[in-house]
Order: sequence, then C-alpha cells, then structure tokens
Amino acid sequence: AQSVTQLGSHVSVSEGALVLLRCNYSSSVPPYLFWYVQYPNQGLQLLLKYTSAATLVKGINGFEAEFKKSETSFHLTKPSAHMSDAAEYFCAVSERFGAGTRLTVKP
Amino acid sequence: DGGITQSPKYLFRKEGQNVTLSCEQNLNHDAMYWYRQDPGQGLRLIYYSQIVNDFQKGDIAEGYSVSREKKESFPLTVTSAQKNPTAFYLCASSIDRWGNEQFFGPGTRLTVL
Repeated sequence: AQSVTQLGSHVSVSEGALVLLRCNYSSSVPPYLFWYVQYPNQGLQLLLKYTSAATLVKGINGFEAEFKKSETSFHLTKPSAHMSDAAEYFCAVSERFGAGTRLTVKP
Repeated sequence: DGGITQSPKYLFRKEGQNVTLSCEQNLNHDAMYWYRQDPGQGLRLIYYSQIVNDFQKGDIAEGYSVSREKKESFPLTVTSAQKNPTAFYLCASSIDRWGNEQFFGPGTRLTVL
C-alpha cells in the first residue's frame, strides 16, 4: 500500500525567507512522487514530479524537491518566498495524497 | 482548449436525494479519478477508472457510485447512503495510472441541507 505523510498542516514564513514543506511516503514499489498546489476554491496544479532521472527535481515558480530514498522523503523547498506562494500544497504518491500544508507568507 | 470540466461549481441538495456530479475531459486520457476534499484531510480517493467500462473503488467508496461508458466522461453519483456528503469534490484525469501527473477540474462544492 502507498501512503503519504505531510508534516505540518500550517507553515508560515516571511516574504523572502526559505520555504520548506515536508513529505514522507511509504511505497512497496519505486514511487511515483508529485507535489501539487491548490489556490482557494480551485483544482490542483502540478508543481513538479519525481521521474527517477534525478534526485533533485526542479518545478515551476522556483520550487524544487529532493528525493531521498533512505529517508523515504520528498521535501519541497523554495529559497525565497513570495506573497503569491500562499496556497495549499499537497504531496502525492501515485493517486494517494497527503493531508496538505497551508503556506502563509507574511509581508 | 484541452482540459477537464466539472459542473456545476456549486450544488445544493436536500438530504435523502441522490445527486450526480459531472466530469468531462478532452485530453484523451485513459485514467480518471474522483476525490473528496474536506478541511484538514487532504484528498481522499473515491473511485478511479483506468479504461472505459472499468472502474475500481478507492479508499472511501461507500455511498458513491460511478460509470465510465465513454472515455471522456466519468460521472459520480452521491447516493442517500453517503452519511456526510457535504464536501468539495474534485475530478482528475491522467494519461494512465503509471507515473503520469493528474490534471484536475475546478471542483464541485456540494452542500446537502
């Protein structure tokens, strides 16, 4: 069975600060890993996906994630937060999603 | 434009009534999915379909039913057996189930009064 755990339902950062959203997964097979973003009352959009070609994956809007098999983690980072990054972020392994992390960016 | 449409955006029903949520895609994707989203619980998989005329239960299928008579369409019926149907419902599709990202519709917010 596959499952996803996102640590921290809410994360608050100042504009310009580092963003770190944590995701741990469990999978009995090599995982298909994704990060999606959701703005209020909308569907989800893909930020990035792990394809096994590289452990560091770059996505849209300056986000990236690092796949660490030994830690079963796929944490999402962005070096400098922007006000427009405020949204809810979901980690997924195949079609199983985590509970989400709401990111707030303070001016 | 290619994409996924869900209609309506907001839906109100009386308790005890069945209601069907529409999901259509013109992306030529084989796989389609239905999720339920509640605050703090993320997306929970209700049903998925890998191909026309085939569908499988997800994690919370009780009280829901689906059909997949056409590749483009994957309607979800919320039956009166669903104990707590008020939620935000999201439909998605992907090329197939194996490693491809999902494309999401805008969602339908169902309120049962």
